[in-house]
Amino acid sequence: NAGVTQTPKFRVLKTGQSMTLLCAQDMNHEYMYWYRQDPGMGLRLIHYSVGEGTTAKGEVPDGYNVSRLKKQNFLLGLESAAPSQTSVYFCASSQASGTSGDKETQYFGPGTRLLVL
Amino acid sequence: AQRVTQPEKLLSVFKGAPVELKCNYSYSGSPELFWYVQYSRQRLQLLLRHISRESIKGFTADLNKGETSFHLKKPFAQEEDSAMYYCALKPSFQKLVFGTGTRLLVSP
Repeated sequence: NAGVTQTPKFRVLKTGQSMTLLCAQDMNHEYMYWYRQDPGMGLRLIHYSVGEGTTAKGEVPDGYNVSRLKKQNFLLGLESAAPSQTSVYFCASSQASGTSGDKETQYFGPGTRLLVL
Repeated sequence: AQRVTQPEKLLSVFKGAPVELKCNYSYSGSPELFWYVQYSRQRLQLLLRHISRESIKGFTADLNKGETSFHLKKPFAQEEDSAMYYCALKPSFQKLVFGTGTRLLVSP
């Protein structure tokens, strides 16, 4: 199993350009997440999904949109990139469960480094 | 509001020395707490969770509800422990809140 994969690994954008980051998981997980990682800020949740066709806002959703048309994919879109969106973006997934334990573990992708000029 | 505080950005120790990475949280309910680790050029991965009461790679972490802490400890640090460590709180169903991370550097 590949686990969680992210495409692309690195991208440079000009202010105002748009792009889509793709996250794919082959573990049949229900839950998927997008985080951004910034120096001194740790990981902050942008959006998440509790299942195919559903999405919800996280801590820092402004400027981003997401879609979960297929269970295995979770797309993060930037409609009009801004320099403040320069960051490393991580996708993660986990099994759906109402109980604690291994099913709660989030599995992370390798990250996408985005630079907005 | 739920918050996780890791007061140290960088912790530098020598090989064989004890290590304690501090984590404090604020949450009014019953917390679920985790430590995630990111080694150089690797993806973020779960190190341990408090409910398992396990020791992973020699690391342990005890939940202290009175002090609202979940410090990560290892009696004898190894060079391969050098990494970025994140403490995380799960205050509600499936939404982790991460701390800002502590970089551990173990020197020979």
